[in-house]
Amino acid sequence: SYDVIQPLSVSVAPGQTARITCGRNNTGTKNVHWHQQRPGQAPVLVIYRDTNRPSGIPERFSGSNSGNTATLTISRAQAGDEADYYCQVWDSNTVVVFGGGTKLTVL
Amino acid sequence: QVQVVQSGAEVKKPGASVKVSCKASGYTFVNYYIHWVRQAPGQGLEWMGVINPSAGSTTYAQKFQGRVAMTRDTSTSTVYMELSSLRSEDTAIYYCARVNYDKSGYPLLGYWGQGTLVSVSS
Repeated sequence: SYDVIQPLSVSVAPGQTARITCGRNNTGTKNVHWHQQRPGQAPVLVIYRDTNRPSGIPERFSGSNSGNTATLTISRAQAGDEADYYCQVWDSNTVVVFGGGTKLTVL
Repeated sequence: QVQVVQSGAEVKKPGASVKVSCKASGYTFVNYYIHWVRQAPGQGLEWMGVINPSAGSTTYAQKFQGRVAMTRDTSTSTVYMELSSLRSEDTAIYYCARVNYDKSGYPLLGYWGQGTLVSVSS
């Protein structure tokens, strides 16, 4: 099976840059997507295919993917960015795999 | 605009079944796959399976094989997820999520329903 590994938590000071990683256990190229889930809300796609932002997502959110690790970067972090972030890949055309999620705290 | 709206919260007893609906609007229903994802209290996202609304074909996560059934009604643009033999560990929020495609035709989980809380308790 295909596994994706995320740190349980990341903390960042307001105005600083947060980086959340997503490691994969298999070799081979996989596009990585990132979903933000604020408390009590449904997930929202914030980065797709490693580096792309859907319309409406601030430019402060960016992504990269190199080797077996993808990274979500949130610049100039704000209190409203506090959320759980999930990386996601497709294991086939239809099977979805999520990472365990990372809780971002802005303090 | 694209919307996927789910049915309301359910309370079930162990051993029972639950059927959650996800009603789509704002687009051609049969053209986009819909996935089901659940989230137990304080836990992460867990993929359950996917349905092709056009053909009605499904793919389920191995964990749920034999216990889950995803169906659709094209006349009402609604997909359903039924989970049987419920146990307390099935207490979770269940989400439907519609696929959309980027300009290259690559699939994305772009539209999420609001979630449906299913509580299983004796």
